[in-house]
Amino acid sequence: ETGVTQSPTHLIKTRGQQVTLRCSSQSGHNTVSWYQQALGQGPQFIFQYYREEENGRGNFPPRFSGLQFPNYSSELNVNALELDDSALYLCASSLPGVRGATNYGYTFGSGTRLTVV
Amino acid sequence: AQTVTQSQPEMSVQEAETVTLSCTYDTSESDYYLFWYKQPPSRQMILVIRQEAYKQQNATENRFSVNFQKAAKSFSLKISDSQLGDAAMYFCAYRSNNAGNMLTFGGGTRLMVKP
Repeated sequence: ETGVTQSPTHLIKTRGQQVTLRCSSQSGHNTVSWYQQALGQGPQFIFQYYREEENGRGNFPPRFSGLQFPNYSSELNVNALELDDSALYLCASSLPGVRGATNYGYTFGSGTRLTVV
Repeated sequence: AQTVTQSQPEMSVQEAETVTLSCTYDTSESDYYLFWYKQPPSRQMILVIRQEAYKQQNATENRFSVNFQKAAKSFSLKISDSQLGDAAMYFCAYRSNNAGNMLTFGGGTRLMVKP
């Protein structure tokens, strides 16, 4: 059983540029969520994809966008990068929640550390 | 909106001793899950323990147990027989059963284990 793989592990971008981060979900998981974790803080929910559609979004502007592919892998795109976008970006895959289900496991990747200069 | 608060930025424990990490949350819902995650320097979030709100019995996983007080909206983590490998950031998280898979995290507690 493979885990969640994120690429790249580290990235440095210039303010105003665009960036794409990638995530391969765990085998059998069809839901992918993205989180932003600023230094010294807890992760903040960006959005979630289920069956290639966005089905939940946190308090992030539209310049944060995403995609999910038929194999359930996902991309996070950030346009017009700002200095405050510097953070660790975590991807988590899971099965969709079902009341009474025993599996509420979320498998997290090791993240992409994005630095905007 | 739900909020999760961890009031202890740092905690320290002697190896083999017991430590308790605090977490409080705010919600108007009655059906939810609570989690404790560990984040070592490798950055990957690792599930430590989870609690279903409709279960009164506190969850336990080996050396890890929780004290879930639903009325007080409190969810503390007890680590018994602390080991050097327990040193990490610990995050409390909330998941509504009515809002997809979104996790709401607290700000974290850094646990240091002294040999």
